[in-house]
Amino acid sequence: AQTVTQSQPEMSVQEAETVTLSCTYDTSENNYYLFWYKQPPSRQMILVIRQEAYKQQNATENRFSVNFQKAAKSFSLKISDSQLGDTAMYFCAFLRAGGTSYGKLTFGQGTILTVHP
Amino acid sequence: DADVTQTPRNRITKTGKRIMLECSQTKGHDRMYWYRQDPGLGLRLIYYSFDVKDINKGEISDGYSVSRQAQAKFSLSLESAIPNQTALYFCATSGGFPTYEQYFGPGTRLTVT
Repeated sequence: AQTVTQSQPEMSVQEAETVTLSCTYDTSENNYYLFWYKQPPSRQMILVIRQEAYKQQNATENRFSVNFQKAAKSFSLKISDSQLGDTAMYFCAFLRAGGTSYGKLTFGQGTILTVHP
Repeated sequence: DADVTQTPRNRITKTGKRIMLECSQTKGHDRMYWYRQDPGLGLRLIYYSFDVKDINKGEISDGYSVSRQAQAKFSLSLESAIPNQTALYFCATSGGFPTYEQYFGPGTRLTVT
């Protein structure tokens, strides 16, 4: 079974600054994906970024980037130039890929990020 | 129109009542999921279905049942609701390779008094 741990229940950052959210995971799988989801007060789950474990290059989506350390089983999210709209709960999630049982997500506990003006 | 819809969006019910949460998707995917969100615990998998004839228990299935009425419809039932089932419930559907993207519904806030 997989486990995902987010050790920061809450984080805060000033607008325009950079913040990093931490995530570690444990798995014996080799073929997997990692995700960061954002949940604003509207409670909608929004995909922020995806990382394929077989790719060495860290994923980047505009102001969002990850630091994927496969050997250390670490997957942190960096948000640059933070904006007020980034205020949300952020979830790290693991997905076993391939085979016939793909698709189930295992989530971390979540980190509440507050961006201050 | 939204890819995944859930009804109701909010519901308050009493202990011992039966309640059904409904989910529909227009993505055309076979795989559908029900998750429960609790503060400090993230989202946890209740049940999942890989096709109409395939239903599987997730991490926390006790007290819940599901029905997959069609490829597009997947309902979650609480046979006899109890207060610790108060939570936010999400339905989702997913595709496969290469993105494995999961599409979530807007969530149902359920309160059991």
